Amino acid sequence: AQSVTQPDIHITVSEGASLELRCNYSYGATPYLFWYVQSPGQGLQLLLKYFSGDTLVQGIKGFEAEFKRSQSSFNLRKPSVHWSDAAEYFCAVVNSGYSTLTFGKGTMLLVSP
Amino acid sequence: GAVVSQHPSRVICKSGTSVKIECRSLDFQATTMFWYRQFPKQSLMLMATSNEGSKATYEQGVEKDKFLINHASLTLSTLTVTSAHPEDSSFYICSALQRTSGEQYFGPGTRLTVT
Repeated sequence: AQSVTQPDIHITVSEGASLELRCNYSYGATPYLFWYVQSPGQGLQLLLKYFSGDTLVQGIKGFEAEFKRSQSSFNLRKPSVHWSDAAEYFCAVVNSGYSTLTFGKGTMLLVSP
Repeated sequence: GAVVSQHPSRVICKSGTSVKIECRSLDFQATTMFWYRQFPKQSLMLMATSNEGSKATYEQGVEKDKFLINHASLTLSTLTVTSAHPEDSSFYICSALQRTSGEQYFGPGTRLTVT
């Protein structure tokens, strides 16, 4: 069965500093991978996705992620964090047939002044 | 991007009553919708897959008689929590699958509190 691991429960980053959120997956075939962001009391917004092709994908709000098959990873990065980026971030993998998503446990990003 | 709405955004009900939550895809047709449950500070757990015109598929451990799902049209799925109890208090999120893109678009969620 597929699974997603986000090893960091909380991360604190200074405003303006760079960010990397880790995500590792377990999936038998080529995975379809997603990063979502959730603000408190809100639904999920898609930041970016990887289906195939270029392993470095660009998303909204200045985020990017790199798919590394050898490491089973899909880490999210941003070169300069803004206070408005404080939120919970979820990595997810979808099974074949574009149906059910499996989410990681999430990483809470705190941004310090 | 595609828009999915949920109604209500918040609901408080008494123990033993039933509550209906609506999930609508506003600008695309969705033959498949999903219902998730999220406990505080935790991830989303898939409860069930809602298929238009057929019975929902429930994940292991989810009581289908307690969480009734109806997907009567291509833009609307409803989740009814029957005989609600305080332990059913949670954040319920739906999503709609857009087949052309393979993406799920999420609603803003419904906060259910059972007193």
